[in-house]
Amino acid sequence: DQQVKQNSPSLSVQEGRISILNCDYTNSMFDYFLWYKKYPAEGPTFLISISSIKDKNEDGRFTVFLNKSAKHLSLHIVPSQPGDSAVYFCAAAHPGAQKLVFGQGTRLTINP
Amino acid sequence: SAVISQKPSRDICQRGTSLTIQCQVDSQVTMMFWYRQQPGQSLTLIATANQGSEATYESGFVIDKFPISRPNLTFSTLTVSNMSPEDSSIYLCSVDGGFPYGYTFGSGTRLTVV
Repeated sequence: DQQVKQNSPSLSVQEGRISILNCDYTNSMFDYFLWYKKYPAEGPTFLISISSIKDKNEDGRFTVFLNKSAKHLSLHIVPSQPGDSAVYFCAAAHPGAQKLVFGQGTRLTINP
Repeated sequence: SAVISQKPSRDICQRGTSLTIQCQVDSQVTMMFWYRQQPGQSLTLIATANQGSEATYESGFVIDKFPISRPNLTFSTLTVSNMSPEDSSIYLCSVDGGFPYGYTFGSGTRLTVV
């Protein structure tokens, strides 16, 4: 049972444009959501997170939106830069739980 | 946040053999976590390792296949035993980076079993 889903395995965006990565979840008990970025031959690195009490969190070029009624979150990157090319994972956690449930990842390619 | 050194970074192993992966953290942590990422798949938690007690394994993972050691608060090993090609994956260790960071990950071990 895939509780966290990223339905787009890949996304290609032109440099300077907005990149939108999507993630859906099925478990309404999740209360904390994170986005990780992964380059080849490296471990995932934390990018941005959001608590279920919020619907938006912003950090520089990165904004995460949470729609609890739709069980959907998205990551917006604007403007997109070549260094943003990586695999992006969304993850979710239960209240008080240290275990994260990850989506399958979306490979983002920024074209010059 | 904690810095994790993981080794080896990659290995190619013969089926039926075992490989031990090591993770060293630059600070003391209560729990360390081991994940697997199969090709094209998400990260899946294998087990949680507490210092001084047996590791807690997730459904589908067993100690005989993935024995874990946690001798102190900064170090852990994961062994992949009696390997088959299906064990070819990236293995990652991680620690709780605290709010709001979730987990901090090592650089991963890319294992290929031939």
